[in-house]
Amino acid sequence: GNSVTQMEGPVTLSEEAFLTINCTYTATGYPSLFWYVQYPGEGLQLLLKATKADDKGSNKGFEATYRKETTSFHLEKGSVQVSDSAVYFCALSGQAAGNKLTFGGGTRVLVKP
Amino acid sequence: GAVVSQHPSWVICKSGTSVKIECRSLDFQATTMFWYRQFPKQSLMLMATSNEGSKATYEQGVEKDKFLINHASLTLSTLTVTSAHPEDSSFYICSARDVRSQETQYFGPGTRLLVL
Repeated sequence: GNSVTQMEGPVTLSEEAFLTINCTYTATGYPSLFWYVQYPGEGLQLLLKATKADDKGSNKGFEATYRKETTSFHLEKGSVQVSDSAVYFCALSGQAAGNKLTFGGGTRVLVKP
Repeated sequence: GAVVSQHPSWVICKSGTSVKIECRSLDFQATTMFWYRQFPKQSLMLMATSNEGSKATYEQGVEKDKFLINHASLTLSTLTVTSAHPEDSSFYICSARDVRSQETQYFGPGTRLLVL
């Protein structure tokens, strides 16, 4: 079956530091890959996505590249802000699973001023 | 665009009562909506898939008689927690899939349920 593994947190950074959150996946076929962000007390917001190999998703300074050869979709941001403090979820969906989302465990990021 | 709302945002109820949570897609049509449950500091657990005009499909281990789902229109799905007990206290999140884009789910802000 499909699965997503992402690095455990919490990740604590200083403002303007570089952020990387690793995400690897196991899936049949060619899944679409997503990063969602959850701010405290809220639901999930789609941050970015990529639907095929070598695609790069980007939004709000965050980037992730769909790497089929390494089955990875690592999230990066060059200079984080305090407002980036949140929980980040890597997820995949594939036609083999009826396009249901499979989530990683989530990574809590805390950015300190 | 792609806004999903949930109502109520939080609810406190007594044990044994039923609670209904609404999920609406505000600016798009959704033939499929999903209901998730999230425990503190954990990931989302898919409870069921709600399809407009047909019965919901429940994930293994989720009691369909406990969590009633109705998807009466292309913009509304409801989850009713029947005879709620303290162990049903949780954060319930819905998502909706745009009919034009079968890959992306848009999430509601969540409903926090506390059963006393």
